[in-house]
Amino acid sequence: DIQMTQSPSSLSASLGDRVTITCRASQDIGNYLTWFQQKPGKSPRRMIYGATNLEDGVPSRFSGSRSGSDYSLTISSLESEDVADYHCLQSIQYPFTFGSGTKLEIK
Amino acid sequence: EVQLVESGEGLVQPGSSMKLSCVASGFTFSNYGMNWIRQAPKKGLEWIALIYYDSSSKYYADSVKGRFTISRDNSKNTLYLEMNSLRSEDTAMYYCAKGTEGIHWGQGVMVTVSS
Repeated sequence: DIQMTQSPSSLSASLGDRVTITCRASQDIGNYLTWFQQKPGKSPRRMIYGATNLEDGVPSRFSGSRSGSDYSLTISSLESEDVADYHCLQSIQYPFTFGSGTKLEIK
Repeated sequence: EVQLVESGEGLVQPGSSMKLSCVASGFTFSNYGMNWIRQAPKKGLEWIALIYYDSSSKYYADSVKGRFTISRDNSKNTLYLEMNSLRSEDTAMYYCAKGTEGIHWGQGVMVTVSS
């Protein structure tokens, strides 16, 4: 199975900060990487697909990138509404696997 | 508007069975693969099963293989998850999600396995 190592597990940042969350894939997953945002008590929402493609309606301060086997979700300027858990998912090989999640809070 | 509405939540004893449903609307259900994904309390997400748009292929996580069965009825726009030999570690919120990359998710249903 492909392991997705997500870091950090938690992150506290100030409003306006640039924030980056990373998932490292244990095998080549191409660009089959999706990022989800999950606000407290809510279902996950797809934010980024194909590693770099922004979902319709997602603010442009969110972006996705890839460097080798490292996939990153970046928020260019943190806003209060971005407080959530973030999860990555690889969907190139069954079983699909998620990262362990990152809890993002405001400092 | 895409809607996915799960049902079937409840409390069951270890070793018992349960069936979840997910009714889809707002899109052509028969064109999309569908997933079941779960989240244990205070834990991360776990993908557990996927079924192709035409039921021709089904895939499972090792943790549920042989105990859970994913199925669908395209005439009813409904996805199912039949769960047998339930264990305490199956306690989780269960979500259905549209498409290989989880384009849309339902609100989830809670399954609690406890004696």
